[in-house]
Amino acid sequence: DTGVSQNPRHKITKRGQNVTFRCDPISEHNRLYWYRQTLGQGPEFLTYFQNEAQLEKSRLLSDRFSAERPKGSFSTLEIQRTEQGDSAMYLCASSIWAGEGGNQPQHFGDGTRLSIL
Amino acid sequence: EDQVTQSPEALRLQEGESSSLNCSYTVSGLRGLFWYRQDPGKGPEFLFTLYSAGEEKEKERLKATLTKKESFLHITAPKPEDSATYLCAVWMDSSYKLIFGSGTRLLVRP
Repeated sequence: DTGVSQNPRHKITKRGQNVTFRCDPISEHNRLYWYRQTLGQGPEFLTYFQNEAQLEKSRLLSDRFSAERPKGSFSTLEIQRTEQGDSAMYLCASSIWAGEGGNQPQHFGDGTRLSIL
Repeated sequence: EDQVTQSPEALRLQEGESSSLNCSYTVSGLRGLFWYRQDPGKGPEFLFTLYSAGEEKEKERLKATLTKKESFLHITAPKPEDSATYLCAVWMDSSYKLIFGSGTRLLVRP
């Protein structure tokens, strides 16, 4: 399977703990996006990378959140000092960006469901 | 403010009963509109991209259309396996991040 892979699929942790999620994009995709989805809502943009550069962060991404994409391959999303409101599905998507007019649709992984006790 | 609104929130159909889902948007400079399907516990699965008013795309029982203000996803003679949440999204600016609607939950009864 050459789709977007996310691990773990589920994470249960206590409030105040740190968690880290991993996303492995489709191998030839140079753009990687993180979204958050709560029950009954569509995904909301968090941040995105082009290769290894983080180009934009949403205001939803507080200073407790950090994302990296070393060497432009896999990406990690870390949440420090988790809060109840962080409970959500965290989705990763990747796409090929080939300049204006050359962008391709984003393909999503199956997400990491985070539950804060 | 850029916004995507989907209706209805939920739709129940009998198998074979055709219908349409609506996605209206207020976005300055639309670069692309997408339809995704999402099953419970899964990530969104890409269905269609539409770029300009008048464009249409088809896949099996699904047909997506686009006007200057809205898009429709037409479902012809649906089957129970078409039951899912259908999400509409638009591309935003040079980041090409997606702005999603809240989705339409479709249930097709046998």
